[in-house]
Amino acid sequence: GEDVEQSLFLSVREGDSSVINCTYTDSSSTYLYWYKQEPGAGLQLLTYIFSNMDMKQDQRLTVLLNKKDKHLSLRIADTQTGDSAIYFCAEIRSSNTGKLIFGQGTTLQVKP
Amino acid sequence: GAGVSQTPSNKVTEKGKYVELRCDPISGHTALYWYRQSLGQGPEFLIYFQGTGAADDSGLPNDRFFAVRPEGSVSTLKIQRTERGDSAVYLCASSLGQQTGELFFGEGSRLTVL
Repeated sequence: GEDVEQSLFLSVREGDSSVINCTYTDSSSTYLYWYKQEPGAGLQLLTYIFSNMDMKQDQRLTVLLNKKDKHLSLRIADTQTGDSAIYFCAEIRSSNTGKLIFGQGTTLQVKP
Repeated sequence: GAGVSQTPSNKVTEKGKYVELRCDPISGHTALYWYRQSLGQGPEFLIYFQGTGAADDSGLPNDRFFAVRPEGSVSTLKIQRTERGDSAVYLCASSLGQQTGELFFGEGSRLTVL
């Protein structure tokens, strides 16, 4: 099965908060990442969190990390239609190579 | 260039043919990665270059797949005797160093094998 698991789809109304969840398996991962993929565009790094942190906030984005449960979440406050995209959780599997292992992605649909 | 450039953006080929996909990374980025993304899936790691050498090729699915980066900049992913199952978007990414995890992705090359 997948090493990094995400729910496939989330639909919210504009102005609401969105929460995208992810579970990972490698407890030795030093960093965990959220990437965004818009239609017809390459993946773009949104934010990341170091494994010794519980939370990281960056403007409308809040990342929560529960190492005990190997659970990562991304909260987007005041979700806008421009936030509609696929969001990928990723863990760094090897600090020697920077190799990232991605989840299957969560499609976020924002309705006006 | 400003970003990672991949060519061709679309490639349609017949089963059994040979294909080359090119990646031009961001200038100065020493690390280069190839990923493959099938429909509805996340990117799947294929190979990682640090400079000219392939430091990790553990993701290449079989010996029909090969990649080179002879001068430590442009990379070419080569697929021999293509099969329908090779159809996917092939993504290239580069980064300043191998430990950051901050990868800059190109828009990908969509390969369709008929």
